[in-house]
Amino acid sequence: GAGVSQSPSNKVTEKGKDVELRCDPISGHTALYWYRQSLGQGLEFLIYFQGNSAPDKSGLPSDRFSAERTGGSVSTLTIQRTQQEDSAVYLCASSLGPGSSYNEQFFGPGTRLTVL
Amino acid sequence: AQSVTQLDSQVPVFEEAPVELRCNYSSSVSVYLFWYVQYPNQGLQLLLKYLSGSTLVKGINGFEAEFNKSQTSFHLRKPSVHISDTAEYFCAVTNNFNKFYFGSGTKLNVKP
Repeated sequence: GAGVSQSPSNKVTEKGKDVELRCDPISGHTALYWYRQSLGQGLEFLIYFQGNSAPDKSGLPSDRFSAERTGGSVSTLTIQRTQQEDSAVYLCASSLGPGSSYNEQFFGPGTRLTVL
Repeated sequence: AQSVTQLDSQVPVFEEAPVELRCNYSSSVSVYLFWYVQYPNQGLQLLLKYLSGSTLVKGINGFEAEFNKSQTSFHLRKPSVHISDTAEYFCAVTNNFNKFYFGSGTKLNVKP
């Protein structure tokens, strides 16, 4: 079956512009995660969605970052007024969520964001 | 708060030699531990996980890791590496499956 997909694969934008990154999780997966991977660093947790519950936004670095998940499926990560330090690979992952014996995360290929 | 430390950013090793990639974590509560692998130009894949039970866990491609609670470590080992094991390896920890903390990664470079 299809895995987690993300679009675009690459995004180059100018400082100050807004960007939207999209994630399509695996069908049936109720949990969805966003991470940021900066050059030479590990994955930084950004936000977690589980079903219809309020998302865990504790990892969002500033109020310029927001995310939503429509209909419990597709998610969009929005970065407003982008800064050069936002340049990174943004990864999305999904899992079956609570109730499964172990909710393994399946990762998408990522979106490489470059802010000029 | 939890954190994960991977002290070795790069590990060069010759083919068929053993390798150990180190991972230490800090947490005041019970944790679940994972190793992920990222091959060049590919997404992250789960290599192995520790949830409970035996502290020695085996994963794919001949890798294994041992959970050591007293040393707060979860080192990854393989007795004999192949060229195809060249990749970046990430250790991760969570205590609730909501929020995962990842290390900064270790690049394993297997030389012929």
